[in-house]
Order: sequence, then C-alpha cells, then structure tokens
Amino acid sequence: SQTIHQWPATLVQPVGSPLSLECTVEGTSNPNLYWYRQAAGRGLQLLFYSVGIGQISSEVPQNLSASRPQDRQFILSSKKLLLSDSGFYLCAWSDWGGGMNLYNEQFFGPGTRLTVL
Amino acid sequence: AQTVTQSQPEMSVQEAETVTLSCTYDTSESDYYLFWYKQPPSRQMILVIRQEAYKQQNATENRFSVNFQKAAKSFSLKISDSQLGDAAMYFCAYGSGSARQLTFGSGTQLTVLP
Repeated sequence: SQTIHQWPATLVQPVGSPLSLECTVEGTSNPNLYWYRQAAGRGLQLLFYSVGIGQISSEVPQNLSASRPQDRQFILSSKKLLLSDSGFYLCAWSDWGGGMNLYNEQFFGPGTRLTVL
Repeated sequence: AQTVTQSQPEMSVQEAETVTLSCTYDTSESDYYLFWYKQPPSRQMILVIRQEAYKQQNATENRFSVNFQKAAKSFSLKISDSQLGDAAMYFCAYGSGSARQLTFGSGTQLTVLP
C-alpha cells in the first residue's frame, strides 16, 4: 500500500532563516506531487505541483521554491522566511492515467506546522 | 477557471441526527470528478467520498452520501446518524478530467453536539 511521509511535524523558525520541508511517498512510482499551505481556519492554497523529476509548476509567486530530486521525494524550501510563511503545510500525491487512482484524487501526508517568529 | 463554493462556514448537528453540507462549483467542462475531504483536529486530510460527473447515481459510503445535481452544479454531502468523531472541517473539491490539480472550497466546520 502507498504511504506518504512529511517531516518535520512541527517547526519554529526565526524570520530570515532558511526552510526545508521534505515529503516522500512509498509504494508507488511516478506520482504527481503537490505542496499546499493552509492558514489557520482557512482552505488549502496550492503552492507547487510536480508531474516528474525536475518538473515543477508554481501556482503562487512567493519566496518559496520546490524541488523534486527523486521520483518520490518533494522538497519545499525558502532562503529567507517571512512572518507570512507561517501556516500548515501539506504534501499530497496522486496517480494519473492508470493504477488504482483513475480519478485524480489526492492523498495527503500528516502535514508540517510552521511558525515563523 | 473552476471555482468551488462552500457557503456554510460553520454547521452544527446533534449526535445521531442528519446534517447536509452544501457545495456548488462552476465549470465549463463535462468530464470531472468531485470529492469531499474531512480534516479532523489532527489536520490529516481524509477522503470521505467521491463522485464521477458522468455517473447519475449518487455515491454512498456507509453513513455518508452525496446529492449530485449536475445541471445545478451542486454537490452536497449528507451525514446520517452523526457521531462525535464526525466533527471536523469538511472540504469540497473539484478535479478536472484534463488536469492534475484539485480545486478546494473554503471549508465547512462541523460541530457535533452530544
């Protein structure tokens, strides 16, 4: 079965410090991968998605970036965090074009709570 | 661009009663999918139910069912025999048949009263 991991679970960082959040998926190959941010009590904002290694699409211009160095690894980074980067970050994966998931439903990781002070 | 609207920011229901959460969407596509996700206090997003637009029959998963009105672009979620564990934020989501992304609504916070 497929599983998705995110770490760290919680992170407190000062303004201006770098950021690296990691997401890995097990039990599938060539997944679509997604990074979302959720502010407190709000909906999900799609930040980045990737359909393959090195292929990243950005949905929202900001000081965040994403990379996919391996097929099942997705990393969210920042060189200098802003206060507005605080939030709950969710990674998700979906299959496409076959396999168990024909309906592009997404499966979510447990999330990372980021607080920027 | 597709939009998903959840007009009820908060809802409450008495334990063992039935509650319906509303969702409307806007699209010009004919091939798409609709989902309801649940986010409990742990904040883990859990898929509750899904509906393919080409199917006329409403999806059902145990106590959860949907009322899919394609012409009206409405996709409501009915929770029967509500339980305390149903308390969560519920998100409606739209998935295009041609894209790899989901569009989420703003969510409905459901409280279950004992």
